[in-house]
Amino acid sequence: EAGVAQSPRYKIIEKRQSVAFWCNPISGHATLYWYQQILGQGPKLLIQFQNNGVVDDSQLPKDRFSAERLKGVDSTLKIQPAKLEDSAVYLCASRVSTSGFTDTQYFGPGTRLTVL
Amino acid sequence: RKEVEQDPGPFNVPEGATVAFNCTYSNSASQSFFWYRQDCRKEPKLLMSVYSSGNEDGRFTAQLNRASQYISLLIRDSKLSDSATYLCVVNQAGGTSYGKLTFGQGTILTVHP
Repeated sequence: EAGVAQSPRYKIIEKRQSVAFWCNPISGHATLYWYQQILGQGPKLLIQFQNNGVVDDSQLPKDRFSAERLKGVDSTLKIQPAKLEDSAVYLCASRVSTSGFTDTQYFGPGTRLTVL
Repeated sequence: RKEVEQDPGPFNVPEGATVAFNCTYSNSASQSFFWYRQDCRKEPKLLMSVYSSGNEDGRFTAQLNRASQYISLLIRDSKLSDSATYLCVVNQAGGTSYGKLTFGQGTILTVHP
């Protein structure tokens, strides 16, 4: 079974530039997540989609971050404009169901963003 | 107070040692609990779920104390391949946000020959 795909794997930009990340979840997975992982910290949830609807974006800095999941499959996360503190690994994860608490989240390899 | 707190370590142990990691969580309504493992520059992967009765998977034993809001992971007979960051993870309850995982900062383990 194919895993969660993300691209690009690495991105280096200057502050105030824009950047976009792409995620393709495991086929059939209804729930998709974007996490931000700063060096030395655990992943922090940015946004959660169930199918193509947002169910939690409480920790998404909406003045600069946006995300969409058109057609309930793949998703993009955009940062515009980037700040130095956005340097992190951006992880996408997916999960088969939309309810319950026990099924596993599967993570993609992440996109490592460096903002100079 | 952080929602999920772990001792960041690092823990540096010889092969064959037994090592234990602890974790506390603040939300008493949390529904499910996990340990994830993250290798250097890789994504987190589920190591094991944690059940109230305690559970074991080979050399790994996980315990949960809901009254104390405390989770532990015990690794026996450590192997070099166990070197990684171990993330304590709690599934928060409430609303429509099922499956919202909150991660601790991770505990770094290095097993040396």
